[in-house]
Amino acid sequence: SAVISQKPSRDICQRGTSLTIQCQVDSQVTMMFWYRQQPGQSLTLIATANQGSEATYESGFVIDKFPISRPNLTFSTLTVSNMSPEDSSIYLCSAGRTGGFEAFFGQGTRLTVV
Amino acid sequence: GEDVEQSLFLSVREGDSSVINCTYTDSSSTYLYWYKQEPGAGLQLLTYIFSNMDMKQDQRLTVLLNKKDKHLSLRIADTQTGDSAIYFCAEPHGSSNTGKLIFGQGTTLQVKP
Repeated sequence: SAVISQKPSRDICQRGTSLTIQCQVDSQVTMMFWYRQQPGQSLTLIATANQGSEATYESGFVIDKFPISRPNLTFSTLTVSNMSPEDSSIYLCSAGRTGGFEAFFGQGTRLTVV
Repeated sequence: GEDVEQSLFLSVREGDSSVINCTYTDSSSTYLYWYKQEPGAGLQLLTYIFSNMDMKQDQRLTVLLNKKDKHLSLRIADTQTGDSAIYFCAEPHGSSNTGKLIFGQGTTLQVKP
């Protein structure tokens, strides 16, 4: 298994600012992902964080709004840029191993934009 | 495209059985999952089932898979108030097993004492 730690666990931010969320895994993993969970909704995949290269974004999500870094096999960051109230959501980091079947999740970052 | 559907809400009395249903569209899914999200918490993998199985039992949890109808269910026996949570059904995103998932809308389980 893998234990995932996310920071911060929650934040309240002013519109127009940016917030960087950190995700640390306690062991090396092949794959890391970022999801968004809007209030009362399911999880939507934002992007796959690729180690040493640009993230792969899902339809509807762009790098300028959600820049992602992954400098090594255990760490990734997601930045929510130029925030608006519509960005208020829970952001979750997930990790998996190629050929493995289990996806591990962090506890999430609850973001409120005012 | 891939899609996962769930009913949104279920209310049961403590001690009763709960059955949460899910339908999925990707017949090539090799695994199907049930995740639990407690208030203010992340997602916890409850159980999973391989696509070549019809049933899996794990203590109070029973997963049934009907591949013909693309229907998955989670039965919780002797439901307790601590089982109150949102339950998500999920299938792999695409054909590779990398941990990238597509989730249903989530079923909120309310357990009344």
